[in-house]
Amino acid sequence: GAVVSQHPSWVICKSGTSVKIECRSLDFQATTMFWYRQFPKQSLMLMATSNEGSKATYEQGVEKDKFLINHASLTLSTLTVTSAHPEDSSFYICSAIPGQGGRQLFFGSGTQLSVL
Amino acid sequence: DAKTTQPTSMDCAEGRAANLPCNHSTISGNEYVYWYRQIHSQGPQYIIHGLKNNETNEMASLIITEDRKSSTLILPHATLRDTAVYYCIVRVPQGGSEKLVFGKGTKLTVNP
Repeated sequence: GAVVSQHPSWVICKSGTSVKIECRSLDFQATTMFWYRQFPKQSLMLMATSNEGSKATYEQGVEKDKFLINHASLTLSTLTVTSAHPEDSSFYICSAIPGQGGRQLFFGSGTQLSVL
Repeated sequence: DAKTTQPTSMDCAEGRAANLPCNHSTISGNEYVYWYRQIHSQGPQYIIHGLKNNETNEMASLIITEDRKSSTLILPHATLRDTAVYYCIVRVPQGGSEKLVFGKGTKLTVNP
């Protein structure tokens, strides 16, 4: 199946710093990628939909200035957590749909962010 | 909001079939039912999807009722490695693309 690579797998940072997470589709082009957040023992919560070449669409309650999303190419989307605080500590997961109107969503392996 | 409801947890004996139910009573005619599973601290893994016909692949079978208001994922011979949280998802259209909204899922525990 198609592969979505997410980097880094885990990151520890100090409060107030910014952290960038990369999501790459390795063997397909993805015009749309999605970013999820997951707290311990909870389900995945959709944060935003990332569209190549245009602005991301954020879900209600997600601060777009806090979570910057850039989808500059058909194979790369990045999520930057700006001025991170301990409450931003979470498991972040990206996903992508191959091509236009693809039927299946592929997920990255996730990034565990810990803010001290 | 998620458009599916699933039991919170289920247990299954190793080697037996695991039948995971899902209700999606408000599903639209062009919406697919997807199943994913998530093992602790990993990204979700695709299992199977279907529209109205039953589907089978190397991992599982998907049985969709005729009115499409519910479905069942069947793992024919569960192993310990099948212990995971299983998510039943209805594909929600969003403009030209489609997003997946996850519900709480079913935590399946396969016991030796």
